[in-house]
Amino acid sequence: QKEVEQDPGPLSVPEGAIVSLNCTYSNSAFQYFMWYRQYSRKGPELLMYTYSSGNKEDGRFTAQVDKSSKYISLFIRDSQPSDSATYLCASLTGGGNKLTFGTGTQLKVEL
Amino acid sequence: GAVVSQHPSRVICKSGTSVKIECRSLDFQATTMFWYRQFPKQSLMLMATSNEGSKATYEQGVEKDKFLINHASLTLSTLTVTSAHPEDSSFYICSARGGTDGSTQYFGPGTRLTVL
Repeated sequence: QKEVEQDPGPLSVPEGAIVSLNCTYSNSAFQYFMWYRQYSRKGPELLMYTYSSGNKEDGRFTAQVDKSSKYISLFIRDSQPSDSATYLCASLTGGGNKLTFGTGTQLKVEL
Repeated sequence: GAVVSQHPSRVICKSGTSVKIECRSLDFQATTMFWYRQFPKQSLMLMATSNEGSKATYEQGVEKDKFLINHASLTLSTLTVTSAHPEDSSFYICSARGGTDGSTQYFGPGTRLTVL
């Protein structure tokens, strides 16, 4: 079993839709949770970073962590074609060095 | 925000040659840098972790004599793929950790290596 599981998609939505991207994890020691966006043939770009449980909002993006169920979510409001990319969740233990990535979900926002 | 650059962005080389890839943190000092490899439609696979001034720590299955890593300063790490073969063709991405948030890794734009 992978430490971080993520549905690879692809996920296709119409412009303006609310997108929900999710990951589950198995390592209880994970304390830091990130979402990265990766465009084709580019390096990952940090979108959201949260510590422990709770919500964090940044513009159209909301990251949610539920440590009791080991569930990580990223919501994108008013999705745009420019949001089309692969979204990677990642987790890190407290004091740890090594990011553990999900496989990434490919998102396509269509006009 | 924290910016990480990589050079070159793309390289094509003949089998048997060595290729050096540079990773630089432009606006912060990176105490730790990471090297990843990514195959098409797959996630990032960590190859090694390097701390400035010390030897890199390689992940299981990664040949340290083939993938030479040098982290000579707080803003520069290099990955040298020695005696490259076609199976080494991949997307190599570095990341750097440091700046105001010591837990966050910032990624470079990646280097696409094609070995003929």
